Amino acid sequence: EAGVTQFPSHSVIEKGQTVTLRCDPISGHDNLYWYRRVMGKEIKFLLHFVKESKQDESGMPNNRFLAERTGGTYSTLKVQPAELEDSGVYFCASSQDRAFNEQFFGPGTRLTVL
Amino acid sequence: SQQGEEDPQALSIQEGENATMNCSYKTSINNLQWYRQNSGRGLVHLILIRSNEREKHSGRLRVTLDTSKKSSSLLITASRAADTASYFCATDAFRSGSEKLVFGKGTKLTVNP
Repeated sequence: EAGVTQFPSHSVIEKGQTVTLRCDPISGHDNLYWYRRVMGKEIKFLLHFVKESKQDESGMPNNRFLAERTGGTYSTLKVQPAELEDSGVYFCASSQDRAFNEQFFGPGTRLTVL
Repeated sequence: SQQGEEDPQALSIQEGENATMNCSYKTSINNLQWYRQNSGRGLVHLILIRSNEREKHSGRLRVTLDTSKKSSSLLITASRAADTASYFCATDAFRSGSEKLVFGKGTKLTVNP
């Protein structure tokens, strides 16, 4: 069974540009989460999808971040325009059962904003 | 301290020794999960322990949970150089309606060959 995959693995962009990160959850997992870790800080929750609906987006830092999950399969996280403080590793996770909540993470996308 | 705070921050041991890492949290939880992150790579799920469980084993891993003290420990027995990684505990808030995980800063484990 394939795990959570993320693309790209690394992205380097300049301040003001737009970047789109993609996450493919484990097949059959309705729950999809985005997290990020900025340098030296803890891994922080961004948002949670249940199928195509946003269940919890309390962790989204500001309106420069837009997450979508059309059709309830893969998800994208767009940062527009990117700022220096957006640099970090963006993780995606998925889970099958909300009650049990065992979340499986992808390898992450390392975003560097210059 | 923050929810899911690990202790110690760094641990260095010799191959073959046991490694114990601790995690403390503040609020009631549904589950507590331990993850491993090798340098520059993604998070690997190690084990989940429910709030009504006290101990769980998986291979060389042993996790305990003490909800009265709001703490958990991860024991790695007979450590190997390949166990060198950062280890994180993550909790989800009891009946919060949110399944988001709250992570600590992690324990960096170095196993010397």
